[in-house]
Amino acid sequence: SQTIHQWPATLVQPVGSPLSLECTVEGTSNPNLYWYRQAAGRGLQLLFYSVGIGQISSEVPQNLSASRPQDRQFILSSKKLLLSDSGFYLCAWSTRSWENTFGSGTRLTVV
Amino acid sequence: GQSLEQPSEVTAVEGAIVQINCTYQTSGFYGLSWYQQHDGGAPTFLSYNALDGLEETGRFSSFLSRSDSYGYLLLQELQMKDSASYFCAVRDRKGNKLTFGGGTRVLVKP
Repeated sequence: SQTIHQWPATLVQPVGSPLSLECTVEGTSNPNLYWYRQAAGRGLQLLFYSVGIGQISSEVPQNLSASRPQDRQFILSSKKLLLSDSGFYLCAWSTRSWENTFGSGTRLTVV
Repeated sequence: GQSLEQPSEVTAVEGAIVQINCTYQTSGFYGLSWYQQHDGGAPTFLSYNALDGLEETGRFSSFLSRSDSYGYLLLQELQMKDSASYFCAVRDRKGNKLTFGGGTRVLVKP
């Protein structure tokens, strides 16, 4: 069966510090991978998606970047965090694009 | 681009029926998905409609009318555990990604 791992679960970082969130998927090959952000009480905003190794599509211009160094690994990064980067970050995978399977999420607070 | 509208909140009692509407505007439509998210948790997939009509999965059903750019999720025999946020989402033309609505918070009361 397929599983998705996302860590850490919570993170408190100072403004201006770097960020690295990692997501790995097991039990499937060549999945589409996604990073979403969710503000409190709001919908999901797609940040990046990837259809293959090294292939990254950015949806929203911002302070973040993504990389896919291996088939089942997706990394979200920032060189310098802003207060507005706070939120709930969710990684997801799919082989059928209408059915995203989400990780448990990382709640990031920038202080 | 894509935009979706759904009500922000619905309140109902246990055993009742709730219908969550979703209207969308898209440059290319390939299907409507529904997701459930409990507070503090991750969204989970509920259903997908690519064609007009009703899809039934247990107590939950989802409907699509492509000509009206409209769909709904029907929650029947409401239970306390159904208290959650529900999101509709549309596939893009290439079929690689989803655009989500703002979500409908459903509160089930005893």
